[in-house]
Amino acid sequence: EAGVAQSPRYKIIEKRQSVAFWCNPISGHATLYWYQQILGQGPKLLIQFQNNGVVDDSQLPKDRFSAERLKGVDSTLKIQPAKLEDSAVYLCASSRRDSGDNEQFFGPGTRLTVL
Amino acid sequence: KQEVTQIPAALSVPEGENLVLNCSFTDSAIYNLQWFRQDPGKGLTSLLLIQSSQREQTSGRLNASLDKSSGRSTLYIAASQPGDSATYLCAVTGGFKTIFGAGTRLFVKA
Repeated sequence: EAGVAQSPRYKIIEKRQSVAFWCNPISGHATLYWYQQILGQGPKLLIQFQNNGVVDDSQLPKDRFSAERLKGVDSTLKIQPAKLEDSAVYLCASSRRDSGDNEQFFGPGTRLTVL
Repeated sequence: KQEVTQIPAALSVPEGENLVLNCSFTDSAIYNLQWFRQDPGKGLTSLLLIQSSQREQTSGRLNASLDKSSGRSTLYIAASQPGDSATYLCAVTGGFKTIFGAGTRLFVKA
């Protein structure tokens, strides 16, 4: 079974530029998560999808961050415009469902550096 | 608001030692608790998932326990090896939210 795929693996941009990250979850997993991990900290949940719908986006900075999950499979996370404090690793995870035994499986992450 | 704390923040042990990593949480209304391993520059690898109705889970040299009433979980690693060196993270899920601790950085000396 293929794992969670993410691209790109690394991205360097200037502040005020825009950037997009892509995630392909494990086949058949209904729930998809985007996390932000700042160096030295645990991941912080940004947004959670159940199929096409958003379950929780309370920690997503909506003035600059957006995410979509078309057709309940792949997802993209966009930042526009980027700030210096957005430098972090962006992790995508998926699970079969959103409660109970929802073991989460993570992709390798995208390391974003904003200069 | 759920808060997750992991103590110690860092740990260095000689090879072969048995060790315990701690995770505490403030809200006992959880669905499950999951332990992960993270190697430098890599994503997270799931180690063990404990559902709210369970008390412990075991996988090889790893054993995780859960005490919801006291808001605590422990990850026991038996006979540690240099390859166990990594950051260990616990994550608590409840009410459609997953909250991570900051992790324990483990170094096992050969």
